[in-house]
Amino acid sequence: QKEVEQNSGPLSVPEGAIASLNCTYSDRGSQSFFWYRQYSGKSPELIMSIYSNGDKEDGRFTAQLNKASQYVSLLIRDSQPSDSATYLCAVNMGGTGAGSYQLTFGKGTKLSVIP
Amino acid sequence: NAGVTQTPKFQVLKTGQSMTLQCAQDMNHNSMYWYRQDPGMGLRLIYYSASEGTTDKGEVPNGYNVSRLNKREFSLRLESAAPSQTSVYFCASRSLNYAPSYEQYFGPGTRLTVT
Repeated sequence: QKEVEQNSGPLSVPEGAIASLNCTYSDRGSQSFFWYRQYSGKSPELIMSIYSNGDKEDGRFTAQLNKASQYVSLLIRDSQPSDSATYLCAVNMGGTGAGSYQLTFGKGTKLSVIP
Repeated sequence: NAGVTQTPKFQVLKTGQSMTLQCAQDMNHNSMYWYRQDPGMGLRLIYYSASEGTTDKGEVPNGYNVSRLNKREFSLRLESAAPSQTSVYFCASRSLNYAPSYEQYFGPGTRLTVT
């Protein structure tokens, strides 16, 4: 059973701080990793994707991937109250089988940025 | 370019009634998905269509049927609604043309209540 684990939170950080969100996954063959942001009552919005070990930066967001440890994280620098949302980690196994079409989602971490 | 659209946005059904949730995408994506999201359960895959003409079961297919009408449209049908199907339903799509990108893009969702 493929699993993606996240701390449910809530994670509270003060405005301007760095928020660190973590995710572990069980399938060692996983190849593609995604972070979605979901505001209350809205649909998930893709904010970052990462496919190789290391860091990937996009504005205030940095995704970090360590396949050996089966660990992916999202850092949000200079956190703003508008970043308050639930962040979903999603993993795709890749390859050519049925699993290659599917994403497995974690249950999400709720982030609250305090002004 | 509207992305992924879903209708209706809200629906209330009585137990035993049937309905069809509609989804369309204008991104020329090959794969389409139906998820449900319940508090504490995260996003769970109901059915997906890897490409036009194919459909496959996901994690929670019981009580649902799907139709991939054409490349753009993917509908979800509840034949005899049950209170356990009260949920928020999201449609998503993904292009196979940009591997290893397996990014999925979500529609705005349908909030369904079954009484």
